[in-house]
Amino acid sequence: GIQVEQSPPDLILQEGANSTLRCNFSDSVNNLQWFHQNPWGQLINLFYIPSGTKQNGRLSATTVATERYSLLYISSSQTTDSGVYFCAGVRSGTYKYIFGTGTRLKVLA
Amino acid sequence: GAVVSQHPSRVICKSGTSVKIECRSLDFQATTMFWYRQFPKQSLMLMATSNEGSKATYEQGVEKDKFLINHASLTLSTLTVTSAHPEDSSFYICSAQTLRALNEQFFGPGTRLTVL
Repeated sequence: GIQVEQSPPDLILQEGANSTLRCNFSDSVNNLQWFHQNPWGQLINLFYIPSGTKQNGRLSATTVATERYSLLYISSSQTTDSGVYFCAGVRSGTYKYIFGTGTRLKVLA
Repeated sequence: GAVVSQHPSRVICKSGTSVKIECRSLDFQATTMFWYRQFPKQSLMLMATSNEGSKATYEQGVEKDKFLINHASLTLSTLTVTSAHPEDSSFYICSAQTLRALNEQFFGPGTRLTVL
């Protein structure tokens, strides 16, 4: 099956710092989403980004489908950015999402 | 738009009892809903895919007789954990697809199940 590796697994930032999170797929996926799981467990959709680049405020994402990776950029991080970030892709021919291993982010005040 | 709710948010039960978790799409019709399980500090694992009016499709290794799924309408899917045991304690999350955006899933807030 498809493997989805995220790096780094853990990240500690000082408030105001920038960071880049990476998601690598072992095989091609049709769609890709980035999620933020807050400390209460709620998954929040950040980006639906099968290819190209999107920006939303301090966050932006880039997916290079041909090279099977995606990047999530967080600029000027805030303590509310803390939580776990997951990427997920869909296997070809299905609508089943395969989740990555996650990046656990802690932003210090 | 695309809001998904789950009920209850937290449940504690005794070993051997059954627990039902509801997943509702509040402002859209969901052709397909998905049920995930998440253990502490781990990623989400897909348990089953639920289509309105038909039997659920379970992932390999998931016991269909233990995790009963019913998708009674385009806005409601239920997961029943039967004869729960402590190892069933976990965070259960549902998601739903809209008809107009089949490639994107929207997630419920999750249900934390603790079996004593």
